[in-house]
Amino acid sequence: DGGITQSPKYLFRKEGQNVTLSCEQNLNHDAMYWYRQDPGQGLRLIYYSQIVNDFQKGDIAEGYSVSREKKESFPLTVTSAQKNPTAFYLCASSILAGRSSYNEQFFGPGTRLTVL
Amino acid sequence: DQQVKQNSPSLSVQEGRISILNCDYTNSMFDYFLWYKKYPAEGPTFLISISSIKDKNEDGRFTVFLNKSAKHLSLHIVPSQPGDSAVYFCAASEVIQGAQKLVFGQGTRLTINP
Repeated sequence: DGGITQSPKYLFRKEGQNVTLSCEQNLNHDAMYWYRQDPGQGLRLIYYSQIVNDFQKGDIAEGYSVSREKKESFPLTVTSAQKNPTAFYLCASSILAGRSSYNEQFFGPGTRLTVL
Repeated sequence: DQQVKQNSPSLSVQEGRISILNCDYTNSMFDYFLWYKKYPAEGPTFLISISSIKDKNEDGRFTVFLNKSAKHLSLHIVPSQPGDSAVYFCAASEVIQGAQKLVFGQGTRLTINP
């Protein structure tokens, strides 16, 4: 089965601790993305990557870090510098942007992070 | 600065009737517009898209209309079914330095009543 997996589904952490969220895809996609969803809000882009060993900040990158050592994997670390880390985190992947078409972003099931 | 807005947080429609979800945007550089459907505690799934050069795209029960002069798009679901109950996100796509970036609206929760 091709798809995107995120683990764990629910994660609890104490305030001040860093935590890493996993995202793996076997769709052979070059581009991967991390979004955050808060209640009553749309998804907001945290980081994205188009190629291994390269990534760019999205709209709300402060307090987060990522790595892209393998094409299949794009882990997100929520650091203690993130002021409001409790949220639903979604990973997505797609083929690279085309000039004349929309390339669908496929989403994983998400990880709900709660910081106590 | 919200570039994509869905002003109705919720919508309730009777089964068999038409559901109309609306979305407004401000950035004229968006090249594609899309709708995603999301169930609780799951990732969004892609429904339908429309290019900025078109004004209508249809796929089965789902039709998306784009009015570029008004910077407005809408999703029509006909006929509405109980399984359509979910949160619907409108999104706009822009390619920046080769990267396709999506901007999402806040979502509209659609409830189909039997």
